[in-house]
Amino acid sequence: AQKITQTQPGMFVQEKEAVTLDCTYDTSDPSYGLFWYKQPSSGEMIFLIYQGSYDQQNATEGRYSLNFQKARKSANLVISASQLGDSAMYFCAMRGPNSGGSNYKLTFGKGTLLTVNP
Amino acid sequence: NAGVMQNPRHLVRRRGQEARLRCSPMKGHSHVYWYRQLPEEGLKFMVYLQKENIIDESGMPKERFSAEFPKEGPSILRIQQVVRGDSAAYFCASSPSLDLLVNTEAFFGQGTRLTVV
Repeated sequence: AQKITQTQPGMFVQEKEAVTLDCTYDTSDPSYGLFWYKQPSSGEMIFLIYQGSYDQQNATEGRYSLNFQKARKSANLVISASQLGDSAMYFCAMRGPNSGGSNYKLTFGKGTLLTVNP
Repeated sequence: NAGVMQNPRHLVRRRGQEARLRCSPMKGHSHVYWYRQLPEEGLKFMVYLQKENIIDESGMPKERFSAEFPKEGPSILRIQQVVRGDSAAYFCASSPSLDLLVNTEAFFGQGTRLTVV
């Protein structure tokens, strides 16, 4: 079964500094996708970044980058130059397994609450 | 993503009443997914529907919960005889087709927060 682990219930970072949010996953399928979502206090789920298991390079989207270490089964989110508006819950999720006919399902971690201090 | 529309945003029901949650997918999307987020938890898959078909309902509670996606109109998640434990945020996502799914984002609506009193 798919499993996502986010070991940091809460993280603090100073404004303008970088922060890394951890995510490890467990799957036996070689084909899968990894996502990060942001959930601010208003509650919506905002897509941030996607990494495919066969992608050769780490995904980047603006200030977000995904540190993908396939052998370690980790997909950490790096936020550079933190802003006050980055304070939110962050969820790591995995789609798949693609070969098992469940390539539409997302499995989520429990999330990390990031607080950016001024 | 604002393209997936859910309503209502907030819903309060007394124990024993019925709750109906609506999801209009993004234009051109024919696949709809419902997820539930209990307090302090991540989202959990409930059901996957295509137009007029339930494809996978493995995450749905066996009783009181049902979902549909008719040929016309929004997808509906229906909870009969609600109990306090049904209080949660319910999210809907949509995608254009299964073939593209593995390479695309999954767009979520803003969610419906159900409170059972």
